[in-house]
Amino acid sequence: DAGVIQSPRHEVTEMGQEVTLRCKPISGHNSLFWYRQTMMRGLELLIYFNNNVPIDDSGMPEDRFSAKMPNASFSTLKIQPSEPRDSAVYFCASSFSTSLGGYTFGSGTRLTVV
Amino acid sequence: DQQVKQNSPSLSVQEGRISILNCDYTNSMFDYFLWYKKYPAEGPTFLISISSIKDKNEDGRFTVFLNKSAKHLSLHIVPSQPGDSAVYFCAASYYGNKLVFGAGTILRVKS
Repeated sequence: DAGVIQSPRHEVTEMGQEVTLRCKPISGHNSLFWYRQTMMRGLELLIYFNNNVPIDDSGMPEDRFSAKMPNASFSTLKIQPSEPRDSAVYFCASSFSTSLGGYTFGSGTRLTVV
Repeated sequence: DQQVKQNSPSLSVQEGRISILNCDYTNSMFDYFLWYKKYPAEGPTFLISISSIKDKNEDGRFTVFLNKSAKHLSLHIVPSQPGDSAVYFCAASYYGNKLVFGAGTILRVKS
């Protein structure tokens, strides 16, 4: 199993541009999570899906952020328009919904907005 | 509102000695606690966990202690090794719900 796959690994974009981050969860996992890591706040949960349905998006910072999971093997996190304060590492994780916290994380996407 | 707090941003320990990483939480509904380890340029990986019905769980060099009355847990690493140098995240959940993470503690083990 290749694990959770995120792309791109690094993204540098100009302020105001649209950014799309991608995630392929582990096959068979039915929960998917998007986290953001910053120095100040550590790992923040942005949104999570169960069986492709968004369950909790209370962590999404504002309307500029949106996430989709069109099928069990793919999810996107989009920022439009991007701002310098969005610069962070974004992680995707997946798990079985009945698992007691056994998340598997991807390697992350380091986003820099200049 | 940080429900899971790791108040020490960093910790430096000599190789062979004990490393103790601390974590406090505010939500009394949390019933499952985990520690994750993260190396640079990698995602966090699961290290050890403990259910609220226990007060200690041990796995090799790693032991997690839970004090429910104080809403405090700690991770002990004995003996510490240079390869343990990483960021350690404390996390908590309730009823199998989403994980809430702390801000992390950078551990440096000096040889």
